[in-house]
Amino acid sequence: EDKVVQSPLSLVVHEGDTVTLNCSYEVTNFRSLLWYKQEKKAPTFLFMLTSSGIEKKSGRLSSILDKKELFSILNITATQTGDSAVYLCAVPQGGSEKLVFGKGTKLTVNP
Amino acid sequence: EAQVTQNPRYLITVTGKKLTVTCSQNMNHEYMSWYRQDPGLGLRQIYYSMNVEVTDKGDVPEGYKVSRKEKRNFPLILESPSPNQTSLYFCASSLYQANTEAFFGQGTRLTVV
Repeated sequence: EDKVVQSPLSLVVHEGDTVTLNCSYEVTNFRSLLWYKQEKKAPTFLFMLTSSGIEKKSGRLSSILDKKELFSILNITATQTGDSAVYLCAVPQGGSEKLVFGKGTKLTVNP
Repeated sequence: EAQVTQNPRYLITVTGKKLTVTCSQNMNHEYMSWYRQDPGLGLRQIYYSMNVEVTDKGDVPEGYKVSRKEKRNFPLILESPSPNQTSLYFCASSLYQANTEAFFGQGTRLTVV
């Protein structure tokens, strides 16, 4: 059975800290891994990663994929209170178009 | 404005009373899907559709039906809702497949009593 596991499940930091969120996966015929941010309601897209070792970057957020070790990390530098959210990782299931989400990491950034 | 629109946003209903949650997208996306989100369980896919008249089960399809008669619409039907279907529901659409950026609707908070 395909699995997506995120860690930690929750994290509390102070503004200015740097955080690293993890997503490990076990899927057959891997195609991509996607990161989403969920604040109050609907998730919004952050990154899609398909190639190992190539960093995707957007401002203070960056993400990288390791296809050999089957994981991805999402880094947030100089965190701000607006980064408080649940961060979700998702992987399309091999052999179908199902999308499997991890349970998410709840990040709280305190002033 | 590109968007996915769900209705209603909030719904309280009684066990056994059939209901439909509508979902519409204006981006000409081929892939649409429904998720439920429950505390501690994350987002779980209910059904997805690759195109008109093409639907398939996600991980938790029991108790739900969907249809895709037009490209823009993907309604979720609960024929006989039960309390364990109380949840937050999201509709989403993507351009082609599951491994492309998904745009989510604002969610429907459903309570079945």
